[in-house]
Amino acid sequence: GQQLNQSPQSMFIQEGEDVSMNCTSSSIFNTWLWYKQDPGEGPVLLIALYKAGELTSNGRLTAQFGITRKDSFLNISASIPSDVGIYFCAGFYYGGSQGNLIFGKGTKLSVKP
Amino acid sequence: KAGVTQTPRYLIKTRGQQVTLSCSPISGHRSVSWYQQTPGQGLQFLFEYFSETQRNKGNFPGRFSGRQFSNSRSEMNVSTLELGDSALYLCASSLVAGEEETQYFGPGTRLLVL
Repeated sequence: GQQLNQSPQSMFIQEGEDVSMNCTSSSIFNTWLWYKQDPGEGPVLLIALYKAGELTSNGRLTAQFGITRKDSFLNISASIPSDVGIYFCAGFYYGGSQGNLIFGKGTKLSVKP
Repeated sequence: KAGVTQTPRYLIKTRGQQVTLSCSPISGHRSVSWYQQTPGQGLQFLFEYFSETQRNKGNFPGRFSGRQFSNSRSEMNVSTLELGDSALYLCASSLVAGEEETQYFGPGTRLLVL
């Protein structure tokens, strides 16, 4: 079945640094979603991408739907302490009459000690 | 505006029992989706309901079922509980307006199966 490989698994950030993470798959997806989850909270939808090649921004966040429809990346510019958390990518695809949503394992962002 | 409400917040069951979880979406949101989150498997999509119809479905066995009522409230049921069903169950309500989708998650129901 469809699987998403999200990398890196974890990274340390220093305030002001740019951050990049991505999700890849051998399968094609119709929609890519990026979420952030803080400890003890539900995920928050950051960006939704619907078309191959689409580049969308939400404040300091920028995400792109890969042209092959098999990957997506998320960039965070000028990171701040509240960017710490776990970021998940998710890909939506149609299989028959219904669609399914697959999640990556997450990228954990921590502050550099 | 009230957020997504999930009840109960915590639940302890034993193997073989069944459980029903409830989700009340944000007023005006007609789509409700359910997710399971565990340390081992991460976030997994269960199903999505829109206007009382299951629109999308994840890769879970038939023991996991759901429904949506005319007021958009949704329930999910897990029958014949297994130890591996211990998880945080999240629901989210969504509204699509044109090309914009907004989605909000509830706080989750933490289920422990003994």
